Amino acid sequence: QSVLIQPPSASGTPGQSVTISCSGSSSNIGNNFVYWYQQFPGAAPKLLIYRNNQRPSGVPDRFSGSKSGTSASLATSGLRSEDEADYYCATWDDSLSAPVFGGGTKLSVL
Amino acid sequence: QVQLQESGPGLVKPSETLSLTCTVSGYSINSGYYWIWVRQPPGKGLEYIGSMFYRGNTYYHPSLKSRVTMSRDTSKNQFFLTLRSVTAADTAVYFCARGEMTLPYYWGQGVLVTVSS
Repeated sequence: QSVLIQPPSASGTPGQSVTISCSGSSSNIGNNFVYWYQQFPGAAPKLLIYRNNQRPSGVPDRFSGSKSGTSASLATSGLRSEDEADYYCATWDDSLSAPVFGGGTKLSVL
Repeated sequence: QVQLQESGPGLVKPSETLSLTCTVSGYSINSGYYWIWVRQPPGKGLEYIGSMFYRGNTYYHPSLKSRVTMSRDTSKNQFFLTLRSVTAADTAVYFCARGEMTLPYYWGQGVLVTVSS
């Protein structure tokens, strides 16, 4: 059981908007920055969002991150077939004194 | 652009020691940032193993702390992971990464390590 809770799956059709949630607590999300990663099968994760809502260079602005209280969200607008991947949230946990990851959400583009 | 590449044995016997190397190019590991190990068991999610600050301080996940050591060779711009007394549960793809605030930013491609006799 992961410290950060994500839905195991999410889906949408091309062009739609989809949001993936990440639920934590005051010792992790509530007090620290949230990061989001995208991972294709057989590949390394890629940083999508850092410090709650910042996009690294090269990440399309279709991807956006937000945080409210002890939860965070990754929103994808204008869904494309190439967005089909696993998405993970992560943050620092003050109680554990270590980073923690969500269990991952498999995004399907129908 | 920083690049990271993991290397090491793909097969380790139970109870033995897993040793991996991360070779970094494009940035000196003693200049800044955190240098991180993360693993991913087959079909499962990501798990933080530990990190080394550029000054040499190390931090380990509490669940692995008794079995893990991270070290480095700054002359070769490499950092290392040692995991002792491995079991089948340690079978995973192991990634090295560079991060800020101990969370990964740039990742290596990963190396699969299987624990089996």
